[in-house]
Amino acid sequence: DQQVKQNSPSLSVQEGRISILNCDYTNSMFDYFLWYKKYPAEGPTFLISISSIKDKNEDGRFTVFLNKSAKHLSLHIVPSQPGDSAVYFCAARSSGSARQLTFGSGTQLTVLP
Amino acid sequence: GAGVSQTPSNKVTEKGKYVELRCDPISGHTALYWYRQSLGQGPEFLIYFQGTGAADDSGLPNDRFFAVRPEGSVSTLKIQRTERGDSAVYLCASSLSSVGEQFFGPGTRLTVL
Repeated sequence: DQQVKQNSPSLSVQEGRISILNCDYTNSMFDYFLWYKKYPAEGPTFLISISSIKDKNEDGRFTVFLNKSAKHLSLHIVPSQPGDSAVYFCAARSSGSARQLTFGSGTQLTVLP
Repeated sequence: GAGVSQTPSNKVTEKGKYVELRCDPISGHTALYWYRQSLGQGPEFLIYFQGTGAADDSGLPNDRFFAVRPEGSVSTLKIQRTERGDSAVYLCASSLSSVGEQFFGPGTRLTVL
């Protein structure tokens, strides 16, 4: 069963507008969440993270929101730029003995000029 | 180098053959992870090393898969009797500590014919 789900495989947004990428999780032991960005033929690169003790974290154009009761997080990119076009992965981790990340299946974001 | 490197970048092999995939982590990073990414999916955890020892190998799919990190730096993922279902991109990541940000390499694309 998928513990981290990204239900939208793709999203297209006009340059300058807001991009909203969504992610749901089922494992209540997850307490740290991350977003990674991936370009073709490259490994994922870390974008932004949030701890479960917070409900929002902001870094420049990128903001992550966490709704623990709904087990839902979202990544907002504003304003979107063509260089943001990539696959975005949501990932989660628990503070227990497991250190590995559990990833969603990704959302391909295309920002149209 | 500055980042995580993986060799080869591409590997094509025949069903039943043995393959080795290499990962050079960022210098000084004690934690090393292997993930596997199948088409249309996010990376899936395989194994985690803290130093020279495998701290968690719960993600290895079966006993055909094995990984080593004999000197606490370079790691090799070994796959025996390859099957067509092993075809995927194998990603390596390293982090300064077990809770630090994971930096990913570009991956090795394995194709089993």
